[in-house]
Amino acid sequence: GAGVSQSPSNKVTEKGKDVELRCDPISGHTALYWYRQSLGQGLEFLIYFQGNSAPDKSGLPSDRFSAERTGGSVSTLTIQRTQQEDSAVYLCASSLAGLAGGYTFGSGTRLTVV
Amino acid sequence: KNQVEQSPQSLIILEGKNCTLQCNYTVSPFSNLRWYKQDTGRGPVSLTIMTFSENTKSNGRYTATLDADTKQSSLHITASQLSDSASYICVSRGDMRFGAGTRLTVKP
Repeated sequence: GAGVSQSPSNKVTEKGKDVELRCDPISGHTALYWYRQSLGQGLEFLIYFQGNSAPDKSGLPSDRFSAERTGGSVSTLTIQRTQQEDSAVYLCASSLAGLAGGYTFGSGTRLTVV
Repeated sequence: KNQVEQSPQSLIILEGKNCTLQCNYTVSPFSNLRWYKQDTGRGPVSLTIMTFSENTKSNGRYTATLDADTKQSSLHITASQLSDSASYICVSRGDMRFGAGTRLTVKP
């Protein structure tokens, strides 16, 4: 596609429920990144994919968070048993040349846990 | 740990004025350094990508400079506009961890 697409754009969920966030990167971009951003804060790195593998997932805050990427394209970030502190904007980015390339970001998914 | 430090944390200027944002980086050897602009509620958008061999790079009213000796980069905004109000973030090559950047507010 023309840009990085994320869905849903907004998600309100009850505490304890599981959520899935989706990212469609730019076609041909081999690298994909997930970030989380709380209000007024900087981007918090979560996980990096190169192809379908995740060389760096050190940013995942707990084992409730997981992510996968299939076909070197779409990625899904799953949060199990959501907590209120999970409320944030979740941003996905992709790049053509891995760590040396510039990132193109999606518009993010605003997650609110009530 | 972030490999860049930015200053100031926040800045307020009047419309039409110029300003300069600073970025000190620690990663070495250096391949490229990028400046991003993030509007409230949106993902960051790339402004410039500078390689080690470049000293200055312009993108409209934005000019980025790089001093490899002191490991410093700056982003100069000329004739600021209200739409320049955003967070400006620098990121060094291979560092996927973004800092909070500098929050710029342009007032009429």
